[in-house]
Amino acid sequence: AQSVTQLDSHVSVSEGTPVLLRCNYSSSYSPSLFWYVQHPNKGLQLLLKYTSAATLVKGINGFEAEFKKSETSFHLTKPSAHMSDAAEYFCVSMNYGGSQGNLIFGKGTKLSVKP
Amino acid sequence: GAGVSQSPRYKVTKRGQDVTLRCDPISSHATLYWYQQALGQGPEFLTYFNYEAQPDKSGLPSDRFSAERPEGSISTLTIQRTEQRDSAMYRCASSPGQGITGELFFGEGSRLTVL
Repeated sequence: AQSVTQLDSHVSVSEGTPVLLRCNYSSSYSPSLFWYVQHPNKGLQLLLKYTSAATLVKGINGFEAEFKKSETSFHLTKPSAHMSDAAEYFCVSMNYGGSQGNLIFGKGTKLSVKP
Repeated sequence: GAGVSQSPRYKVTKRGQDVTLRCDPISSHATLYWYQQALGQGPEFLTYFNYEAQPDKSGLPSDRFSAERPEGSISTLTIQRTEQRDSAMYRCASSPGQGITGELFFGEGSRLTVL
């Protein structure tokens, strides 16, 4: 069965410093992986997706993630945090054992950005 | 509409009452999904529709939960005889096609509190 584990429930960084949000996956298949972001009082929004075309995936707002099969990781990074990046981030895997739309979400990582 | 719209945004009800949540997806989107998100957890799949068909309702926690999308557009999620454990954020999402992409457009959610 597939699963995703977000290693930190809360990450705090200073504005202008790098962001690293960690995600490990477990899958018997070649996975499709995603990062979604949720800003306060907003719906979840797709940041980026990995579907085996390229291991380094670029998303919106300067975020990127690298798929590392040897480490079963899909960490989300950004070189320089901005105050507007404060939000909750979810690592997501496609559930190949389930039906369409049956995505598997991690528990989320809350990112705080200090001025 | 321009985005996925959910109503009500907040609902407080007493245990044993029935509750109906509504989702209006992006116009022309074929597929509609319902997720349940408990506090501190990631969203969990409940069910989905391709137009008015409901191929998978395996995520519905009990027979007190039901969903419909009679005309392939607006959907409702009904919880009968609510229990305190039903308290959660209920998220609706839609996507344009019927294939598995993982790219969902989410509404802002309906937060249900059962007293």
